[in-house]
Amino acid sequence: ETGVTQTPRHLVMGMTNKKSLKCEQHLGHNAMYWYKQSAKKPLELMFVYSLEERVENNSVPSRFSPECPNSSHLFLHLHTLQPEDSALYLCASSQGGVNEQFFGPGTRLTVL
Amino acid sequence: GEDVEQSLFLSVREGDSSVINCTYTDSSSTYLYWYKQEPGAGLQLLTYIFSNMDMKQDQRLTVLLNKKDKHLSLRIADTQTGDSAIYFCAATSNDYKLSFGAGTTVTVRA
Repeated sequence: ETGVTQTPRHLVMGMTNKKSLKCEQHLGHNAMYWYKQSAKKPLELMFVYSLEERVENNSVPSRFSPECPNSSHLFLHLHTLQPEDSALYLCASSQGGVNEQFFGPGTRLTVL
Repeated sequence: GEDVEQSLFLSVREGDSSVINCTYTDSSSTYLYWYKQEPGAGLQLLTYIFSNMDMKQDQRLTVLLNKKDKHLSLRIADTQTGDSAIYFCAATSNDYKLSFGAGTTVTVRA
């Protein structure tokens, strides 16, 4: 049990759907992250929030919209996705910026 | 930005030692990490090393850091079937940003 949970674990959606991924951390950390993991590619950092403020946004398309209402919760809102957006989306949290990140189990997203 | 590279596959016999290698490009990286990912799961932190250290040992795991060559390795002694997984090397390039390699798939054969 890593202390970071993600829901749903699996999601299938059409290109016109709107859905949201949820992440919750129970570790008292102050930074949270969204990563995209595609087959045989390095993990891609998408967004970083520190103390509920976005501190990093790695040129992610606007069809991905993050939300961090408090230090324990992080959302990724999805709309009009493309099939190439199919991947494992991982959430992580850390205490500060350089300390180790703890990962959730991920949401396996398939876009049809 | 930081580039982190590692070989994609490693096959090892049960009971032997596994060595996974990684290179990185940013000499200012302060922390270097090894993560393990089992099928269907997220990443689990295995160990990390601070850049002013050459070696760190934790039970069956040994991390070696050659800062001059920007080379990191993870040695797993007495490899078991439960060690079959994908292992990711990661380096901090600045605050909040961890750069990951593509992962090394380790297969343990009987």
